[in-house]
Amino acid sequence: DTGVSQDPRHKITKRGQNVTFRCDPISEHNRLYWYRQTLGQGPEFLTYFQNEAQLEKSRLLSDRFSAERPKGSFSTLEIQRTEQGDSAMYLCASSLQGWPGGNTIYFGEGSWLTVV
Amino acid sequence: AQKITQTQPGMFVQEKEAVTLDCTYDTSDPSYGLFWYKQPSSGEMIFLIYQGSYDQQNATEGRYSLNFQKARKSANLVISASQLGDSAMYFCAMREGPSSGNTGKLIFGQGTTLQVKP
Repeated sequence: DTGVSQDPRHKITKRGQNVTFRCDPISEHNRLYWYRQTLGQGPEFLTYFQNEAQLEKSRLLSDRFSAERPKGSFSTLEIQRTEQGDSAMYLCASSLQGWPGGNTIYFGEGSWLTVV
Repeated sequence: AQKITQTQPGMFVQEKEAVTLDCTYDTSDPSYGLFWYKQPSSGEMIFLIYQGSYDQQNATEGRYSLNFQKARKSANLVISASQLGDSAMYFCAMREGPSSGNTGKLIFGQGTTLQVKP
């Protein structure tokens, strides 16, 4: 059972460029989440997929951000026209559907973005 | 609205001693789950322990235990016999139940940095 994997782990980009992050969840997990974490803060929810459907988006997810999960497996998070305020770690997580919450949410190692 | 509060920005503990990390929460949903995660400097969020709102007993996982006081809305993490490798950031998180229409997403606290001294 491989864990959640994210790629790339680190990305340095110039302001105004587009960047894309990929997340491969645990294979049997049908729920996938994206979070953003800035230094010294807890992760903040960005968006959530159940299978291929994007069911919730945070207001933090501006129009420059788009996420997809085309076949219900891997997901991509694209940031267009990056700004310095986008510098953060982007965390992907996955879980099984269902309650109670013992369906633990497992996180990847994160993708660090630095916008210069 | 759900909220998680961790009031200890940083904590020190001597190796082999026990330490308690505080977490309080707020929710109007009777069904919820509480989680603790460890985040070392590498960045990965490592799941430690889970407590359901209807669980009768406090959760334990090895050296980790959760002191769940439902009436006080607190879910403190206790780490026994601290090790140098326990030095990390620790996050408390909550997810509300399906009656709230929740998608299962987690809401995190601000975190507590734990440093274990040799």
